[in-house]
Formats: sequence, C-alpha cells, structure tokens
Amino acid sequence: DVKVTQSSRYLVKRTGEKVFLECVQDMDHENMFWYRQDPGLGLRLIYFSYDVKMKEKGDIPEGYSVSREKKERFSLILESASTNQTSMYLCASSLGAQGSPLHFGNGTRLTVT
Amino acid sequence: TQLLEQSPQFLSIQEGENLTVYCNSSSVFSSLQWYRQEPGEGPVLLVTVVTGGEVKKLKRLTFQFGDARKDSSLHITAAQPGDTGLYLCAGGEGGSQGNLIFGKGTKLSVKP
Repeated sequence: DVKVTQSSRYLVKRTGEKVFLECVQDMDHENMFWYRQDPGLGLRLIYFSYDVKMKEKGDIPEGYSVSREKKERFSLILESASTNQTSMYLCASSLGAQGSPLHFGNGTRLTVT
Repeated sequence: TQLLEQSPQFLSIQEGENLTVYCNSSSVFSSLQWYRQEPGEGPVLLVTVVTGGEVKKLKRLTFQFGDARKDSSLHITAAQPGDTGLYLCAGGEGGSQGNLIFGKGTKLSVKP
C-alpha cells in the first residue's frame, strides 16, 4: 500500500512565524500535491509538483511556497504565518497518468494564533 | 473554471435507510473519482469511473457516471454507522499531470 506521511498531526504557531510542513511518500509517485481543507470550502489546491524541482501554482498559492528536492519529499512553507492560514493541510501523491487516484496523508491541523 | 457541485451538503439518516449523493457539473470530465474521508484521516479512494454511463458497485455502494460525463451519483443501500463520513467527488481535467477538481463534499451521518 502507498503510504503518505505528514510529519505533524497538530501544529500551533504564532503569527509571523515561518512554518514548514513536511510530506513523504514511499511509492515513487511522480506527482505530489498540497491542499488545504476548510469547512464549507472543501479541498483547495495550493501547489503541486510533477517532478523533482518542478512546481506549479494551484488555486490558492498566495502566502505559500513549496520545495521538492527529492522525489519522495514535498514541503509546504508558510513564510510568515497568518491567522487566516489556520486550516487542515493535506498532502497527496499520485502517478502521473490521467485519472490516477490520489493517495492522501492524514493531514496536519495548523493553528496560527 | 470547472466546478463540481455536490448535494446534499449534509445528510443524517437512520441505519438501514437508502440514500443518494449527487455530483454535478456543467463541464465534461475525463474521469470521476469518489473518496470517503473519516474524521482525523485523509480521503481514501472508493472508485474511479471513466466511461459515460458506467456503473460500478462496491458492496452496498453503487456509483454511476452520467452519459455525458458531466455528473455522477453515489447510492448507498441499507446504510450502516460505518458509512459515516465525508464523501467527496473529484473530476479529472485530463492531461498528463492528473490534476483533480474536488466538490465540497457531502457529510453523511448514519445513526444506529
């Protein structure tokens, strides 16, 4: 089974702090994704990557950046955390083929105070 | 921008009842996936449908992709408390990168 591991289940950070969310997958998937999930808004794509060192903006990239130095690892960075970035963050991976299912981690619930 | 509308947003039923969840769009999708998410966990894939008119069954769950590939439905027969969760549909945009458009989900609660 594909395993997608997010480094933290819960994080509490202060406004203005730099925050790193880490995600590792063990199935050699080409694609990796970061979503945030908020009540009433569903899953919204922040960034995705289809290869090492490649990244593409999703629907809501403002305030975020990403890094993919190795195929198995995809990091989400909040340069200066703000309270409106309090959310559930979900990492996912998939094969590159069209229609490939996403394999999600269990999420990181980030609270910015 | 392609959008997927799910209905109903919330559904609370008694064990043993049947239910249907809908996923609709004005756009055509190359494929459509259904996921279930339980509290504290990430979404898990239930099924992928790719052909217009396709019907797939997974035990008590029946999934249908519309003939025009713009809509889908999930029907659960004799719901059980273990079916409780958030059901998400996601449409494939096509292309080689596998991006998906997600609906906002249907939160199902099945009471014993």
